[in-house]
Amino acid sequence: SQQGEEDPQALSIQEGENATMNCSYKTSINNLQWYRQNSGRGLVHLILIRSNEREKHSGRLRVTLDTSKKSSSLLITASRAADTASYFCATVLGGGGADGLTFGKGTHLIIQP
Amino acid sequence: DTGVSQDPRHKITKRGQNVTFRCDPISEHNRLYWYRQTLGQGPEFLTYFQNEAQLEKSRLLSDRFSAERPKGSFSTLEIQRTEQGDSAMYLCASSRGGYNEKLFFGSGTQLSVL
Repeated sequence: SQQGEEDPQALSIQEGENATMNCSYKTSINNLQWYRQNSGRGLVHLILIRSNEREKHSGRLRVTLDTSKKSSSLLITASRAADTASYFCATVLGGGGADGLTFGKGTHLIIQP
Repeated sequence: DTGVSQDPRHKITKRGQNVTFRCDPISEHNRLYWYRQTLGQGPEFLTYFQNEAQLEKSRLLSDRFSAERPKGSFSTLEIQRTEQGDSAMYLCASSRGGYNEKLFFGSGTQLSVL
């Protein structure tokens, strides 16, 4: 079973606009990570936010974490055509869960030129 | 850092045949993971190794699946008596380990079982 659920499942915006994706999860976590996957390729790590952090930035990426609501959001500012990809949130479970990351189903982002 | 490499990129096989995939992780990484991904879904955890020890296996890993990492370097994933439901992308990832680890993924092996 998958721990995280991304929302929306698909998102299409114009180049230059901001894109926001959300992730909800079910159990306590040690950290939450976001990955990007281009079609037919492996996943690339984007950013990690620890359970005691609320916000983190990396270039055009901004991630927030609300552990009380068990949710996270990923904001991509000033989107580019190259940002077209699937985005996954992944969690490392707290309290003795499997050491492997557990991924959601992803948000498919399309940037229209 | 040459990245994680997987071989082959694509594999087409007939139902009932055995297939083997190989993964070469980043050299200094002691953890190696196998995931399976079907169309429209996120990667699903199969198993992972800490050096040569296989520490965890998912319920998804039936007895037809076996993974090895004989010398703590490369790993192989074998599927015996393949079924059409085994068709998926098989992803390998490696990391240095720890709760705040980030995974480095290979490009995957796309398996099609006819």
